[in-house]
Amino acid sequence: NAGVTQTPKFRILKIGQSMTLQCTQDMNHNYMYWYRQDPGMGLKLIYYSVGAGITDKGEVPNGYNVSRSTTEDFPLRLELAAPSQTSVYFCASSEDSYGYTFGSGTRLTVV
Amino acid sequence: GQNIDQPTEMTATEGAIVQINCTYQTSGFNGLFWYQQHAGEAPTFLSYNVLDGLEEKGRFSSFLSRSKGYSYLLLKELQMKDSASYLCAVREFNNKLIFGAGTRLAVHP
Repeated sequence: NAGVTQTPKFRILKIGQSMTLQCTQDMNHNYMYWYRQDPGMGLKLIYYSVGAGITDKGEVPNGYNVSRSTTEDFPLRLELAAPSQTSVYFCASSEDSYGYTFGSGTRLTVV
Repeated sequence: GQNIDQPTEMTATEGAIVQINCTYQTSGFNGLFWYQQHAGEAPTFLSYNVLDGLEEKGRFSSFLSRSKGYSYLLLKELQMKDSASYLCAVREFNNKLIFGAGTRLAVHP
C-alpha cells in the first residue's frame, strides 16, 4: 500500500521553464489537494479536487494549473516558473471522514 | 474570510507539559485537526475534534470550543523527539483543509 506518491522529490528550474509535479494515490480517495509550504510557514492550499473531472481553486492558485482525469492522479502544472514559486509542494488525499494522507513532498527551487 | 492563529514559537523542558493554542475564523467549520511536522518531512496526523470537548490520545490531548472558535493541543511528558512544528487546521464543509502558520516547539533537556 503506497499511499500518496509524489515525483520528483527535488527539482531545480530556471525562470520561465515549465514542469509538472506528479501525484498518485492508491486508496481510491475522492478528494485530492495540492499545498505549498514556504520556509517556516504553514501549508497554503493551491488547488483541490472533489473527484475525477472536478477541480477548484484554493488560497494561492495563481501560476498553477491542475487536472483530474482519473481518481488516482492529480498533477500540478507550473507554466512559467518564477522565483516566488520556490517552495516545498505537498500532495494529499482524503475521503469524507477524517484522515488526510500526505505525500513526502517535492522540493522545488526556481533560479 | 479565513483566519487561523497560533503562536509562532514555544519552548519547553523535557518531561513538562505544554499547551499550544489555536483560534480560528473560517467561512465554514467541519472539524479541527492537529498535525505534527518535523523539519523536512510531511505533516503527520495527531488529533481531530468535531464536537466540543477534550479528545485524549496517549500523551497528546486536544480540546475544542466551537462557540469560541478555539482549540488547544496539550502535550504531556515532553520528550526531545517532540521538538517539531505543530499545525492547526480547519476543515470546511467542502472538505477543504485550511492550515494555520504552525507553532515551532523546541524541547530542551
